[in-house]
Order: sequence, then C-alpha cells, then structure tokens
Amino acid sequence: KAGVTQTPRYLIKTRGQQVTLSCSPISGHRSVSWYQQTPGQGLQFLFEYFSETQRNKGNFPGRFSGRQFSNSRSEMNVSTLELGDSALYLCASSFDSTYEQYFGPGTRLTVT
Amino acid sequence: AQSVTQLDSHVSVSEGTPVLLRCNYSSSYSPSLFWYVQHPNKGLQLLLKYTSAATLVKGINGFEAEFKKSETSFHLTKPSAHMSDAAEYFCVVIGSYGQNFVFGPGTRLSVLP
Repeated sequence: KAGVTQTPRYLIKTRGQQVTLSCSPISGHRSVSWYQQTPGQGLQFLFEYFSETQRNKGNFPGRFSGRQFSNSRSEMNVSTLELGDSALYLCASSFDSTYEQYFGPGTRLTVT
Repeated sequence: AQSVTQLDSHVSVSEGTPVLLRCNYSSSYSPSLFWYVQHPNKGLQLLLKYTSAATLVKGINGFEAEFKKSETSFHLTKPSAHMSDAAEYFCVVIGSYGQNFVFGPGTRLSVLP
C-alpha cells in the first residue's frame, strides 16, 4: 500500500507571497491532518479534514487554510507569507479519529 | 482538554543499555495513546499504540510501553539500545472521537557507542 505523499518536498518563497502544499493520503483513509513543525514550537496542529469537511482547527491565523477533495487528497494554503512560517509542514492520514495517523515525509518551506 | 508531558527533553544512553522515555498525559476521556519516532530529516513513524486493550503494548524495533491509569503514564521502554534508535520520540494522546492528536514536546534520544 502506498504511503502518504506530499508535494513539493522543498520550497523557497519570499515574504508576502502565498504557497499551496499538497497531500495524498493512504488509499481508504478519509481523515487528513496538517501540522507545522519548528524547532521552537515543536509539532503544532493546524487542521483536520474528514470527508471534505474541516472537523478540527488549531490556533493559527486565518492566513492558513486548507481543503479536501472528494478523493481525500488535501491542500493547505498559506497567504501573505511571513518569515516565521518557515517550517516543516507534515501531513498525516488516518482511517478516522482515534485511529493511528500515518505521516508523509513533509514539505520544508523556507521564507526569505 | 488533553495534554501530554514528556519529562525529559534529552536522554542519553550507552549502546546495549535500557531505554526509558517518560510520558504523562491528561485527558477527560479514556484516551488513546501513541508513540512516534522521527529520525533526522524524516517524517514520523508509528512505534506503538494503546487503545484500551492490553495495558502492555509491544511495538516495532523492540520497543514497548505500559499504560498506567493510576499514574496517568505511558512510558516507552526498550531493553537494549541500538545506535539506530537515536532519534526524536513523541508521545501523543487523543481523547475521544472527533478530537485531534495532541503531541508532547518530544524527547531526543542519543545513543553513545
């Protein structure tokens, strides 16, 4: 079974730009969660989508948004990038809540 | 609200000696608990999970964890450390259906030759 894939793996953007990251979950998984990982803040939950609906949201500004498509693939978008948005963005898929999550390799975003 | 405390930010052991990584949780519900490992520049890999079945849970690579409700703990152990175990370890709790995963701050494990 193919694992969780994320594209792109690396990205360099300039302050003020916007970026879209993509995540393809494991086949059959309907829940996709997004996390931001930084050395200072650790792993922070961004949001979770289940069957195309945002079910949970973390404590991030509205510049961070996401969506999920009917095939469970998910995208997250960050608008008006700030230097502090530089991080590893991880996507995870699971069958449903309370089930284990499987993580992708992440997208390393650098904002200059 | 759920929360996770990992009592040690860094643990250093010698190869061949036991490993103990400590985790305490807080949850209003009967929780599901997980341990994940992250090697440098890699994604997170599931080590093991507790979902209210047996309290002693065996995972991959010789790791195991014991759920102790009275102590609200879920410590991760391994009898003999290997160099390849050097990584960051995260304890995770989820309280109930529809809630999101809550990650602990992580414990960096160093294994000395």
